[in-house]
Amino acid sequence: ETGVTQTPRHLVMGMTNKKSLKCEQHLGHNAMYWYKQSAKKPLELMFVYSLEERVENNSVPSRFSPECPNSSHLFLHLHTLQPEDSALYLCASSQDHGRIEAFFGQGTRLTVV
Amino acid sequence: TQLLEQSPQFLSIQEGENLTVYCNSSSVFSSLQWYRQEPGEGPVLLVTVVTGGEVKKLKRLTFQFGDARKDSSLHITAAQPGDTGLYLCAGPPNFGNEKLTFGTGTRLTIIP
Repeated sequence: ETGVTQTPRHLVMGMTNKKSLKCEQHLGHNAMYWYKQSAKKPLELMFVYSLEERVENNSVPSRFSPECPNSSHLFLHLHTLQPEDSALYLCASSQDHGRIEAFFGQGTRLTVV
Repeated sequence: TQLLEQSPQFLSIQEGENLTVYCNSSSVFSSLQWYRQEPGEGPVLLVTVVTGGEVKKLKRLTFQFGDARKDSSLHITAAQPGDTGLYLCAGPPNFGNEKLTFGTGTRLTIIP
């Protein structure tokens, strides 16, 4: 596999569920990102990891919990979400945190019911 | 406050026509990128422009960075159905912050 792979592609969950989104990159990049894409809103940066350390958390509610066990894998753990959290969640990677050109995965379409 | 405004928000044109979409800001950007996102997919990087006034061509697509590095345009010649998608501009504001800010997007539909 090459590029950035996200699983699952689609997820429907209840507000009391716990689920996790997974992202894997095969590009040898050192930085990984989670973005949220909602209808009629620009892409919102949620978290930034550089060399497995979280370097940015953009005021994201604690019901979203990221984890980066190594430079190739990134998770987003979801817990007691709200319907307004329904969105496309995109993972991206870049060579380094200071390199802005990002390579995106296909996203996970999340629906909270 | 939205740093990057794109216009138009929606554009639907016939195959073979030309079009231009815009990305504007009141802030200076050290560089700007253009991405295309197709339905059900993540954004794909098309180009990065770095120098004020720079013009880059990618087949039928021409990208220009404004002289003051506050705006950019994307011109498509002889549009084809495969050009359909959401076009996003993005860049790091030029005040030492490398965080990528995305524009509001232009949703382009090319009618066969």
